[in-house]
Order: sequence, then C-alpha cells, then structure tokens
Amino acid sequence: GQNIDQPTEMTATEGAIVQINCTYQTSGFNGLFWYQQHAGEAPTFLSYNVLDGLEEKGRFSSFLSRSKGYSYLLLKELQMKDSASYLCAVMDSNYQLIWGAGTKLIIKP
Amino acid sequence: GAGVSQTPSNKVTEKGKYVELRCDPISGHTALYWYRQSLGQGPEFLIYFQGTGAADDSGLPNDRFFAVRPEGSVSTLKIQRTERGDSAVYLCASSLTFESSPLHFGNGTRLTVT
Repeated sequence: GQNIDQPTEMTATEGAIVQINCTYQTSGFNGLFWYQQHAGEAPTFLSYNVLDGLEEKGRFSSFLSRSKGYSYLLLKELQMKDSASYLCAVMDSNYQLIWGAGTKLIIKP
Repeated sequence: GAGVSQTPSNKVTEKGKYVELRCDPISGHTALYWYRQSLGQGPEFLIYFQGTGAADDSGLPNDRFFAVRPEGSVSTLKIQRTERGDSAVYLCASSLTFESSPLHFGNGTRLTVT
C-alpha cells in the first residue's frame, strides 16, 4: 500500500529552527509537496521537490532524497505565525496525490 | 475571482437529507479536485476533473456521492441521504494542469450532519 509518515506534533521556540520529517512509500514518484494549514483554514502551497537536494525559499527550505523515500521541511527564525499543521504529499505514478496526516507545529515564545 | 471559492462555508443538515456543495475554481485552471478532511487528518481524495469529465472518481466512498463540472469551470459535489459519518470539511482545489502543478485550495465547506 501507499503510505506517508510524519510526526503528529512538534514543539519549538520562537526564533529557533525546526525540521519536520516525512517518509514515504508510494507506487511511483512524480514529486513531493509541502503545504501549510492553519487551524480552520485551507492548505496553502509551500514547496515542491522532484529532484534530490535542497530547495530554499526564504525562511523555509525543503529537502528530498528519492532513494531514501525521505523529505524534510526546515523552518528557520520561527515566528508565532508559523504555528500550523504542515502536510507532506507525494504524487504517485498516476499523478495522484497521497497525503500525510500532517504535523502540528506549536511555537512557544 | 482571485482564488478558489467554495459555498456555503458551513452547512448543517439532518440525517437523510440531500446537500450540494459548490466550488468555483481559479479562472483558467483545468484540473479540479474534491477532498474531504477530518480533524487531525490529511485531505482524503474524492474525485478529480480534467475539464468537464471526471478523470478519476475512485475516492468517492459510495454511490450517495456524485460530482459534476458541466462547463469545465464550476463544480458541484452532491451527497444524497446524508449520514452522520459524512460530517467533515469538504475541500475543493484547482490547478493549472494535472501534472506537478501545485493545488490551490478553497476555504472548504464544513458539513455537519445531525
């Protein structure tokens, strides 16, 4: 079967750095997405990785290793507004998105 | 509009009733998706449209659920004989193309079946 694993919840301190991991087992691979979802709101697109390596976009970076079935989202200089759920999603061989359950990130002052 | 629009934002209905949920995608986006999401879970795929046709409806849980997109733009998700287990947030998303384009989500319709 197809599976996306990410931690249920993480806590970090304002101003610090946090890394949210995602491992996946899917039928084929056509890219990995990270989305941010604030409570009661829709998911919003953060990043897309299809090749191995690190993609940096401001305070957020996303890394992919296809051979390991592994990705992480790195958030730097954490702000209180970064408190949200972070969803990892993989596009399989049928271009179907397989979603993780999300990691709830709690930022403490 | 600038983003994906979903109406209503909230819908409370009684068990056994029929409901329609509407999605207006971003102009020019050919792909349209319906998901539903329960608290603490990721989105659960329901159906995907490429243009007017349902390209993949494998996620619809049973024949009480049906969706249309008659003119390749606005889509309606229809649920017959609603059950309490149908209570969830129903999310619509659109993307420019099917492959590898990021999805743009609407704010969802929170459906509560009493």
